[in-house]
Amino acid sequence: DIQMTQSPSSLSASVGDRVTITCRASQSISTYLNWYHQKPGKAPNLLIYAASSLHSGVPSRFSGSGSGTDFTLTISSLQPEDFATYYCQQSYSTPLTFGQGTKVEIK
Amino acid sequence: QMQLVESGGGVVQPGRSLRLSCTAPGDTFSNYAMYWVRQVPGKGLEWVAVTSYDGSSRDYADSVRGRFTISRDNAKNALYLQMNSLRTEDTAVYYCATDVSKGEDGDYNWLESWGQGTLVTVSS
Repeated sequence: DIQMTQSPSSLSASVGDRVTITCRASQSISTYLNWYHQKPGKAPNLLIYAASSLHSGVPSRFSGSGSGTDFTLTISSLQPEDFATYYCQQSYSTPLTFGQGTKVEIK
Repeated sequence: QMQLVESGGGVVQPGRSLRLSCTAPGDTFSNYAMYWVRQVPGKGLEWVAVTSYDGSSRDYADSVRGRFTISRDNAKNALYLQMNSLRTEDTAVYYCATDVSKGEDGDYNWLESWGQGTLVTVSS
């Protein structure tokens, strides 16, 4: 199974900050990497697919990069609605696996 | 994006069965692979099962293989998860989700649309 490890597990940031979350795969997954965010009590929402493609309707302050085993999600200027938990997920092979999540909290 | 609605959750005793359903009112998902993903309250996301667009290919997490069955009825625009021999560790919110591809030959992409989830509680 491919293990996905996110860092950090949580972070505190202020509105307007640049935030970076990393995701590492236990083996190469090319660009089969997706990012989601989830607010309490709600379903996850797709942000980034195929490592760097912005899903329709997602603000351009979100961006993704990486290939192989190392990936990054960046929020260029954190907004109040961005405080949530973020998950990476690999779709290279089954079992499909998610990172453990990164909780972004208000400083 | 597609609107998905799950149903069928509830409280069930260990060892019993439950069937979850997922529909897309006013839409159709017959051209897409479909997933079930679960989340223990307060914990992370766990992929449970996937089916190709026509149901010919299915795959499961080891934790549910042999106990859970994913199926779909495209004529009814419905996805199902039959859960047998339930365990306390199956307690979670269960989400259905769509891919953007057909899921042929195990080629999966990303989970584009998600339902709101249905809570399954396994407890004596």
